[in-house]
Amino acid sequence: SQTIHQWPATLVQPVGSPLSLECTVEGTSNPNLYWYRQAAGRGLQLLFYSVGIGQISSEVPQNLSASRPQDRQFILSSKKLLLSDSGFYLCAWSHRVRTEAFFGQGTRLTVV
Amino acid sequence: GNSVTQMEGPVTLSEEAFLTINCTYTATGYPSLFWYVQYPGEGLQLLLKATKADDKGSNKGFEATYRKETTSFHLEKGSVQVSDSAVYFCALRTQGGSEKLVFGKGMKLTVNP
Repeated sequence: SQTIHQWPATLVQPVGSPLSLECTVEGTSNPNLYWYRQAAGRGLQLLFYSVGIGQISSEVPQNLSASRPQDRQFILSSKKLLLSDSGFYLCAWSHRVRTEAFFGQGTRLTVV
Repeated sequence: GNSVTQMEGPVTLSEEAFLTINCTYTATGYPSLFWYVQYPGEGLQLLLKATKADDKGSNKGFEATYRKETTSFHLEKGSVQVSDSAVYFCALRTQGGSEKLVFGKGMKLTVNP
């Protein structure tokens, strides 16, 4: 069966510090991968998605970036965090031909 | 573009009450439709789905029917439990096209004993 791992679960970082969140998927190959952000009291905002190694589509201009160095690994990064980057970050994957997405447990990021 | 509009709440119900969460969509073509549930502090879990018109998705006592004529996918449960307290998201994905899953804003449900 397929599983998705996302870490860390919680993170407190000072303003201006770098960020690296990692997500890996097991039990499948060539998945579509996604990063979403959920701000307090708001819905889900798609940040990035990837259909293959090195292929990243950005949905919202911001100081975040994403990379996919391996088929089942998706990384969310920032060189300098802002207060507004605080939120709940969710990684997800989907099959290429099936339609639903499966989510990780999320990372609660607090920028102070 | 594709979009989902759903009740935002928050909504508070008593145990055993009837639940309806409205969801309507705008999409090109014939999307697949989903309901996801998010329990406190966790990621999203797929609750149910429907991939074509008139399909009914069901799981854990929840149901939703894909209504193409009204572009709706309302979630219902006849008798809610305290354990149903969560945030519920309606979502769509167009078939064979965009790789993206489009979500509504979510609705927080609290069920009191």
